[in-house]
Amino acid sequence: DVKVTQSSRYLVKRTGEKVFLECVQDMDHENMFWYRQDPGLGLRLIYFSYDVKMKEKGDIPEGYSVSREKKERFSLILESASTNQTSMYLCASSRAGRENEQFFGPGTRLTVL
Amino acid sequence: GQSLEQPSEVTAVEGAIVQINCTYQTSGFYGLSWYQQHDGGAPTFLSYNALDGLEETGRFSSFLSRSDSYGYLLLQELQMKDSASYFCAVEAGNNRKLIWGLGTSLAVNP
Repeated sequence: DVKVTQSSRYLVKRTGEKVFLECVQDMDHENMFWYRQDPGLGLRLIYFSYDVKMKEKGDIPEGYSVSREKKERFSLILESASTNQTSMYLCASSRAGRENEQFFGPGTRLTVL
Repeated sequence: GQSLEQPSEVTAVEGAIVQINCTYQTSGFYGLSWYQQHDGGAPTFLSYNALDGLEETGRFSSFLSRSDSYGYLLLQELQMKDSASYFCAVEAGNNRKLIWGLGTSLAVNP
């Protein structure tokens, strides 16, 4: 059974803290993605990566950075968490050339106080 | 700019057929995907259309008209478990990103 796993289901952090969200996939997928999902706003792409050590900004990269040191792992970093980053964070992966078919992790609900 | 439109809510009864429409405005269009998301769950891939026409997968079908920038998801023989949000997403642009609609919440009633 193919899987995308995320390090935490729920996370509570304080304003100004550095936050790491980890994502691991076991499908040998080339592509990995980080989204946030907010009510009424749908899924918004933060960053994506089509290869190890490669990263590209999505639609809302401000306040975030990413790291892809290994093919199976894609980390999202909030350098200094703010309350407007309270959200559901979803990681996804796909095969190269199959960007249309993404496999999602269960999500991390992050609350920043 | 790039945009997708789909209805925010649809209600139907068990056993019925429902169609969820999606219209889009994008540049560099490759195809249209549909995803299902249950409350508290992650989106799961349902279908993809790159060419005009109807694709059928069991009770679900998806249609695309590239000339009309329009597609739909057709759900037949509705079951209670089909109550979920359905997202259309367009694959577009040089880097083939997915651009997501805001989702349609489908409620299936007994």
